[in-house]
Amino acid sequence: KAGVTQTPRYLIKTRGQQVTLSCSPISGHRSVSWYQQTPGQGLQFLFEYFSETQRNKGNFPGRFSGRQFSNSRSEMNVSTLELGDSALYLCASSLDIAGDTEAFFGQGTRLTVV
Amino acid sequence: DQQVKQNSPSLSVQEGRISILNCDYTNSMFDYFLWYKKYPAEGPTFLISISSIKDKNEDGRFTVFLNKSAKHLSLHIVPSQPGDSAVYFCAASRGSARQLTFGSGTQLTVLP
Repeated sequence: KAGVTQTPRYLIKTRGQQVTLSCSPISGHRSVSWYQQTPGQGLQFLFEYFSETQRNKGNFPGRFSGRQFSNSRSEMNVSTLELGDSALYLCASSLDIAGDTEAFFGQGTRLTVV
Repeated sequence: DQQVKQNSPSLSVQEGRISILNCDYTNSMFDYFLWYKKYPAEGPTFLISISSIKDKNEDGRFTVFLNKSAKHLSLHIVPSQPGDSAVYFCAASRGSARQLTFGSGTQLTVLP
């Protein structure tokens, strides 16, 4: 069974540009969550999608957005990139059924903004 | 406001001994707690979880203990192996695993 796949693994962008990251969840998982990891702030929740709808959102500016497709694949977009957006972006998928207590993470996309 | 705290940034343990990693939380609404292991530039790997209706969950060398009254959980690794050296994160959620609040992590080093 394939795990969570994130593409690309590494990305370098210039300030002011925008970027789109992709996440394919484990087959059968309908919930996809995104997290940002930085040395200063640790792992922080960005947002969560289920059935193509954003259900939960963390405390990030509107420059961070996402979407989910009918096959549960998800993308996140960051517009008007700032240097502080440099981070490891992780996506996690889960079954989201009663009693489900596991979320599985992808390898992450390392974004560097220069 | 850090709702999940790991107060020890690092821990060193001799191979074969017990590693105990601690985590405290402040939000009494959390009802699921998870531990993840992470290597640099990789995604976290799920280790073990516990529901708030339990006080202990065991899986092989890993045992998680939950003390609800103290809002404290711990991960015990017995025996510790050099391959266990990594950053360990505790995480908490309400109702499911879809929105996790993470601690800041503890770097575990197991010395051969």
